[in-house]
Amino acid sequence: EAQVTQNPRYLITVTGKKLTVTCSQNMNHEYMSWYRQDPGLGLRQIYYSMNVEVTDKGDVPEGYKVSRKEKRNFPLILESPSPNQTSLYFCASSPLAGVYNEQFFGPGTRLTVL
Amino acid sequence: SQQGEEDPQALSIQEGENATMNCSYKTSINNLQWYRQNSGRGLVHLILIRSNEREKHSGRLRVTLDTSKKSSSLLITASRAADTASYFCAPNFGNEKLTFGTGTRLTIIP
Repeated sequence: EAQVTQNPRYLITVTGKKLTVTCSQNMNHEYMSWYRQDPGLGLRQIYYSMNVEVTDKGDVPEGYKVSRKEKRNFPLILESPSPNQTSLYFCASSPLAGVYNEQFFGPGTRLTVL
Repeated sequence: SQQGEEDPQALSIQEGENATMNCSYKTSINNLQWYRQNSGRGLVHLILIRSNEREKHSGRLRVTLDTSKKSSSLLITASRAADTASYFCAPNFGNEKLTFGTGTRLTIIP
């Protein structure tokens, strides 16, 4: 089944404890992206990647890192999480030509930073 | 920043009625996409309409685009309880980013 998977789905952590949220897609998509969703603010893009080893900042990149060593994986790294990073996170992927095609979203990761 | 703005923020209708929601944006677009999100879940793509298209249909969904007014509308006909969700428009302004608004929360009353 074609899908985008994220792990973990739920995570409660404490300020400053490094964490990684994994994202994997099995559709051979070139483009991958991370979003965060907060009440009243909609979805905001954190980082995106047009291809392996190519990443770029979205609208809210501060406090996050990403890597794209393989086509299928695009992990989101929070080196020192803070409470303002408590949010619902979505990974998405898209075929070649990125946003000119529909994006496929993962199920989301609900992160709470205490 | 560039993004679409959906209107209304919330909409409640009786099952079987039609639902219309609108999206406005401020600068020229390449295309505009509509997505649906069931509570707390990932977004699901509904329709993509290109800037040179004026109307597109998919099942009970009809999307229109008026580039002169910089607006789009999503019409859901013969609504069902399963249509209860949030709906987002996502204009693409010719770059690699897809920007989403805050969405329209649609509630279908059985």
